Amino acid sequence: EAGVAQSPRYKIIEKRQSVAFWCNPISGHATLYWYQQILGQGPKLLIQFQNNGVVDDSQLPKDRFSAERLKGVDSTLKIQPAKLEDSAVYLCASSGKGVTEAFFGQGTRLTVV
Amino acid sequence: GEDVEQSLFLSVREGDSSVINCTYTDSSSTYLYWYKQEPGAGLQLLTYIFSNMDMKQDQRLTVLLNKKDKHLSLRIADTQTGDSAIYFCADLNQAGTALIFGKGTTLSVSS
Repeated sequence: EAGVAQSPRYKIIEKRQSVAFWCNPISGHATLYWYQQILGQGPKLLIQFQNNGVVDDSQLPKDRFSAERLKGVDSTLKIQPAKLEDSAVYLCASSGKGVTEAFFGQGTRLTVV
Repeated sequence: GEDVEQSLFLSVREGDSSVINCTYTDSSSTYLYWYKQEPGAGLQLLTYIFSNMDMKQDQRLTVLLNKKDKHLSLRIADTQTGDSAIYFCADLNQAGTALIFGKGTTLSVSS
């Protein structure tokens, strides 16, 4: 089966600019996650969707980050405006049968200069 | 809140066994996980263990769970250069809906 697709793979922007990431989960997976992985750290959950509804966004910096999952399939994560500390890899994952079977995409590496 | 701690680095020789250790804080954890991340790649689920088990073996991988000490370990037998990667221990959040990761242990295998 096709895996979780993410784009772009890499992005370099200046601070205060905006950026958007896209994720296409595995077909039929109802749950979608966005994680932020800062260099040298483990991934941290930003937001979790169940179909097109938000389950958990408690760690999403809502003053600058937003995410949506229209029609319960693809998702976009946006940062506006970006800060230097937003430099990280943004990982998307999807699950159809609970967290035990979560599959991760390759991630988008964001560098803010 | 929940927390997961790991040692940061491990260096072994090809053919030796590797043991990666992890401690967690949530005593109500139901599942504990080991993920592998190779350079430039996403996270790959290696194995997981249910909290009512002490040990799980899957080919070269052995997971040991000590619930009393909240300690989890991953043993890789006959370590190969292809095993060089970052290994993450993960626990479920209190809601049981998402993963909480440690900082990862970088395994370096020399030939």
